Amino acid sequence: GQNIDQPTEMTATEGAIVQINCTYQTSGFNGLFWYQQHAGEAPTFLSYNVLDGLEEKGRFSSFLSRSKGYSYLLLKELQMKDSASYLCAGVDSNYQLIWGAGTKLIIKP
Amino acid sequence: GAVVSQHPSWVICKSGTSVKIECRSLDFQATTMFWYRQFPKQSLMLMATSNEGSKATYEQGVEKDKFLINHASLTLSTLTVTSAHPEDSSFYICSWGGPGTDRNTEAFFGQGTRLTVV
Repeated sequence: GQNIDQPTEMTATEGAIVQINCTYQTSGFNGLFWYQQHAGEAPTFLSYNVLDGLEEKGRFSSFLSRSKGYSYLLLKELQMKDSASYLCAGVDSNYQLIWGAGTKLIIKP
Repeated sequence: GAVVSQHPSWVICKSGTSVKIECRSLDFQATTMFWYRQFPKQSLMLMATSNEGSKATYEQGVEKDKFLINHASLTLSTLTVTSAHPEDSSFYICSWGGPGTDRNTEAFFGQGTRLTVV
């Protein structure tokens, strides 16, 4: 079956760095997305990786290892507004998005 | 990015009644729209794929007679929850684009609709 695993909840301190991990098992693979979702709102796009390696975009970076079925989202210089759920979604061979349950990130002052 | 407008943002209805949720594409023509449901602390679950001018494609386990989807134009897709029950209370989100679609990049989401059935 297809599966996306990510931690349920993480806590970090304002100004610090946090890494949110995601492991995936999909039928075929056509990339991996990270989305941010604030409570009661729709997800917003953060990143898309299809090749191995690290992609940096401002305070956010995303890493992919296809051989390990593993990705992480790295958030630097954490701000209170970064408190949200972070969703990992894999793209299978049918180009269907397989979503993880999300990681709730709590930022403390 | 593309703008997807969804309303209502939240709705409370009595058990047994029907609720219609609208999803509009404001600056593009959407041949295909996706409808998701999200229960608290759970992942987005694809319910159906809405196709303009033809029948929607429903995922396994989703009752097509209960969740009616209409995609009569390139800018509007609607989801009607018929004879709603408390277990239908959830967060419903539409989206456009994404891998494998005519816009093969990120998916754009509507604002979501919080449905509470009492």
